[in-house]
Amino acid sequence: GAGVSQSPSNKVTEKGKDVELRCDPISGHTALYWYRQSLGQGLEFLIYFQGNSAPDKSGLPSDRFSAERTGGSVSTLTIQRTQQEDSAVYLCASSIAETQYFGPGTRLLVL
Amino acid sequence: SQQGEEDPQALSIQEGENATMNCSYKTSINNLQWYRQNSGRGLVHLILIRSNEREKHSGRLRVTLDTSKKSSSLLITASRAADTASYFCATDLAGGTSYGKLTFGQGTILTVHP
Repeated sequence: GAGVSQSPSNKVTEKGKDVELRCDPISGHTALYWYRQSLGQGLEFLIYFQGNSAPDKSGLPSDRFSAERTGGSVSTLTIQRTQQEDSAVYLCASSIAETQYFGPGTRLLVL
Repeated sequence: SQQGEEDPQALSIQEGENATMNCSYKTSINNLQWYRQNSGRGLVHLILIRSNEREKHSGRLRVTLDTSKKSSSLLITASRAADTASYFCATDLAGGTSYGKLTFGQGTILTVHP
């Protein structure tokens, strides 16, 4: 079956612009996660959606970052007024149990 | 600070040799998982070991868990050039309110030379 998909694959933007990153999880997966990975670093947890529960936003680095998950499926991560330090690969994962299935990521470059 | 600390940061071996990577963590866990990442893109799940397990095998992979030392190791036997990748451990913390939320280590970069 289809895996987790993310779009766009790459995004180049100018400092100060807003960007939206999309994640399509595996159908039927109740949990959805967003992570950020800076060059050569590990994964930094951003936000977690589980079913209809309130999302765990504890990893969002600032109020410029927000995410929503519509209809328990597709999720959008929005970064407002982007900064150069936001440049990273943004990874989405979904799960129905303990194992997480990752998408290919969106590589964001803020100039 | 990171929950997971991995050692070594980089490992370079010849094809056919075994590769061992270690992961240490700080707080009690429900389970520990190992993931592999190629070329800085999506991660692939390799193996999960629960807190009440000590060792698991999957093909050429062997994972151990020592909860008294809060450490785990991943052994890849008879390595191949295709095993070249970054390997991450991730912990599912016990007592957390977010079921399944993982905390990742910094990773070990493994290079296997043909």
